[in-house]
Amino acid sequence: NAGVTQTPKFQVLKTGQSMTLQCAQDMNHEYMSWYRQDPGMGLRLIHYSVGAGITDQGEVPNGYNVSRSTTEDFPLRLLSAAPSQTSVYFCASSPSGLAFSYEQYFGPGTRLTVT
Amino acid sequence: AQSVAQPEDQVNVAEGNPLTVKCTYSVSGNPYLFWYVQYPNRGLQFLLKYITGDNLVKGSYGFEAEFNKSQTSFHLKKPSALVSDSALYFCAVSRPSNRDDKIIFGKGTRLHILP
Repeated sequence: NAGVTQTPKFQVLKTGQSMTLQCAQDMNHEYMSWYRQDPGMGLRLIHYSVGAGITDQGEVPNGYNVSRSTTEDFPLRLLSAAPSQTSVYFCASSPSGLAFSYEQYFGPGTRLTVT
Repeated sequence: AQSVAQPEDQVNVAEGNPLTVKCTYSVSGNPYLFWYVQYPNRGLQFLLKYITGDNLVKGSYGFEAEFNKSQTSFHLKKPSALVSDSALYFCAVSRPSNRDDKIIFGKGTRLHILP
């Protein structure tokens, strides 16, 4: 099993550009989440999904869109990149059950810089 | 609203000595508590969790954590530190019984084990 994979590993964007961060998991997990990690801020939840076709907002959803058309994939879209979105982004998945009741499996991260 | 605090940004411990990484939380009702570890340029890895039952929880790599309801704490401990334990540690709290509560991560504590 590859676990949780994320692409790209690094990305530089100009302000106003859009892009999609890819996330895939091969563990048949129902729950998938996106976080951003900023120095001194810990991890903050952006969006999450409890299954295909179902998504919900986390703590910091503004400026990001998600969709979940399959169990395996959970892409994160930046609609119009801003310097405040410079961060390291992590995707995670966990088995079915109550939301956030199971341990999460994290991908290796995408380091995004917006200039 | 739920919250979690890791009061120490950094903890230094000599190799072979016991270590403690502190975490306190605030949540109404019964919390789910987690510890994760992050090595440089990697995603987070699950260490252990508390849901209910025995207040002392054992996890990966010889780590354990003690749930203290009266002090609302969930400190991470290890009897004898290894240099390889040097990493960034995150505490997290969730309350799956409440749909409006998501998962909250602490800001992280950097653990340095000195040879």
